[in-house]
Amino acid sequence: QVQLQESGPGLVKPSQTLSLTCTVSGGSISSGGYYWSWIRQHPGKGLEWIGYIYYSGSTYYNPSLKSRVTISVDTSKNQFSLKLSSVTAADTAVYYCARVQVLGTFLDYWGQGTLVTVSS
Amino acid sequence: QSALTQPASVSGSPGQSITISCTGTSSDVGGYNYVSWYQQHPGKAPKLMIYEVSNRPSGVSNRFSGSKSGNTASLTISGLQAEDEADYYCSSYTSSSTLVYVFGTGTKVTVL
Repeated sequence: QVQLQESGPGLVKPSQTLSLTCTVSGGSISSGGYYWSWIRQHPGKGLEWIGYIYYSGSTYYNPSLKSRVTISVDTSKNQFSLKLSSVTAADTAVYYCARVQVLGTFLDYWGQGTLVTVSS
Repeated sequence: QSALTQPASVSGSPGQSITISCTGTSSDVGGYNYVSWYQQHPGKAPKLMIYEVSNRPSGVSNRFSGSKSGNTASLTISGLQAEDEADYYCSSYTSSSTLVYVFGTGTKVTVL
């Protein structure tokens, strides 16, 4: 059973960089066939794609966030990470990591989510 | 990147059937059989309920079914139960964005 777990600070100051890591267990990021993604949900709102990465390092970002987002992968640790720079209060949200089936394009496993608040 | 359009809310009584629509364009819902549906209870992560328009993952009740006609996909919940009260989101592959995926706006299902 694949499991994903987000980790990182729950509070980030405005203008700083939000950094989160997703640790994958029960399966290898290097096995191929999946994108490893970040999705966020503003309080009381819908789901928003941030971007995703293939184990090879190929990345795809939401155009609205592209200038501030970096997603990276560490296959040796079976982890992938999110960095979002120059954050504002508008970046306060629950951040989820999830696995995307490349064939079929659906998200089959999700982390539990972590609330990140941007505040001084 | 435009979100797929879903009704804000749908309600029904226990035992009834309800249908949630997800409307897109020929660049997403209408052009590909890559529509998926997710259930989200308050404070929880979304859960995959339907993939590739009408397929159910193992463990998902057969009361949930999916279909598509033109640019609109639908999720039907039959025999509505109290535990079905949640938010539901559709998602689709899209050729109109470099991101390739798009979510729906979300639907709150209320069991009366």
